[in-house]
Amino acid sequence: SYELTQPPSVSVSPGQTARITCSGDKLVEKYTSWYQQKPGQSPVLVIYQDTKRPSGIPERFSGSNSGNTATLTISGTQAVDEADYYCQAWDRIACVFGTGTKVTVL
Amino acid sequence: EVQLVESGGGLVQPGRSLRLSCGASGFKFDDFAMHWVRQVPGKGLEWVSGINWNSGRIVYADSVQGRFTISRDNAKNSLFLQMDSLRLEDTAFYFCAKEAVVRIYATQFDSWGRGTLVTVSA
Repeated sequence: SYELTQPPSVSVSPGQTARITCSGDKLVEKYTSWYQQKPGQSPVLVIYQDTKRPSGIPERFSGSNSGNTATLTISGTQAVDEADYYCQAWDRIACVFGTGTKVTVL
Repeated sequence: EVQLVESGGGLVQPGRSLRLSCGASGFKFDDFAMHWVRQVPGKGLEWVSGINWNSGRIVYADSVQGRFTISRDNAKNSLFLQMDSLRLEDTAFYFCAKEAVVRIYATQFDSWGRGTLVTVSA
């Protein structure tokens, strides 16, 4: 079965750039979405189709996808961005979530 | 405003059954694929099952294939998950999630419910 691997944790200072990677075989051939989940809350879509932001998501969130790795970038990270982040793609008609990354804003 | 409200969770013994429901409002329910996603407390997201707008496409994760049944009632704006032969490892929060694109399966999830907790324990 298809797997998406993320680093367990990423630490970033306020105002700096956080980059979260998501690795999967030939991931560039699939669209990747990203979800933010804060403690006790439901996931929220922050990036879809590799690079697109839903309405209401701040411009500091951006995405890219190349080769075997998709990347979520948070520019000018704020304390409110501290959360778990999950990538997601489709293996034909089965949905696959990444292992998740906890972003800590120090 | 899109609203998804799950219900039906609770404590159940291994081997028994439980039926989850998800009530939808704020959008044209019969135009969108819907999914169930679960999360063990403190762990990651796991996709469980998906159903397209007219129930013509139904897909399950290997971990629940043959034990869980997804269905929908478009007239009642409701999504269901019948869970049979429950196991300890099925303990999790269960979220229903809405796909983003009209009548297309396998896009992204733009709305999620708050989840309902299923605890499988003797």
